[in-house]
Amino acid sequence: EVQLVESGGGLVQPGGSLRLSCVASGFTFGSHWMNWVRQAPGKGLEWVANIKQDGSEKHYVDSVKGRFTISRDNAENSLYLQMSSLRAEDTAVYFCARGLGYLIDCWGQGTLVTVSS
Amino acid sequence: DIVMTQSPDSLAVSLGERATINCKSSQSVLSRSDNKNYLAWSQQRPGQPPKLLIYWASTRESGVPDRFSGSGSATDFTLTISSLQAEDVAIYYCHQYHSAPLTFGGGTKVQIK
Repeated sequence: EVQLVESGGGLVQPGGSLRLSCVASGFTFGSHWMNWVRQAPGKGLEWVANIKQDGSEKHYVDSVKGRFTISRDNAENSLYLQMSSLRAEDTAVYFCARGLGYLIDCWGQGTLVTVSS
Repeated sequence: DIVMTQSPDSLAVSLGERATINCKSSQSVLSRSDNKNYLAWSQQRPGQPPKLLIYWASTRESGVPDRFSGSGSATDFTLTISSLQAEDVAIYYCHQYHSAPLTFGGGTKVQIK
């Protein structure tokens, strides 16, 4: 069974930093693109970033470029999102999601990030 | 960036009746190289993460009931629930995976009338 388990969310002050993690199981992690997608409270889905199987290619939504960094450790079956210079508008549930190419086919349960003073 | 626009924002349908959701992309998501539409539909039930229903615009994910169907090409797509069941109450999102940044429609909330 495919499982994606996110952690690392919490309350952080504006301008602060946070690192999200996602541990994958039930599939060959290193064979898949991986994504972070977020959902602000009561709002729709917003794709944040993705990373190629070997980490050689990464893409970001414009609103997080220069502030967020996606990375992965295939030996640990883990995906990360380093977030810095956080803003109130970054408040959301952050989902880790598996990709088949760019198609998002499987989602974790999400971790809540709240940016507030 | 490809902008995805869904309509309606919400709809209420009687049990057993048909529900139709539309999705329009600002650019074609039909690939000339493989003649495939890079368009997917996902369902998000209350309090749950999204779940993939349909990809390549019309291919059902394994285990998805056949009352769900997708159609369309290039820039105009439709998700149809042929006979609405109580467990179909959810928000439905289209998303394009033709090119980065990946983009989602705003969602359509389906409720029981």
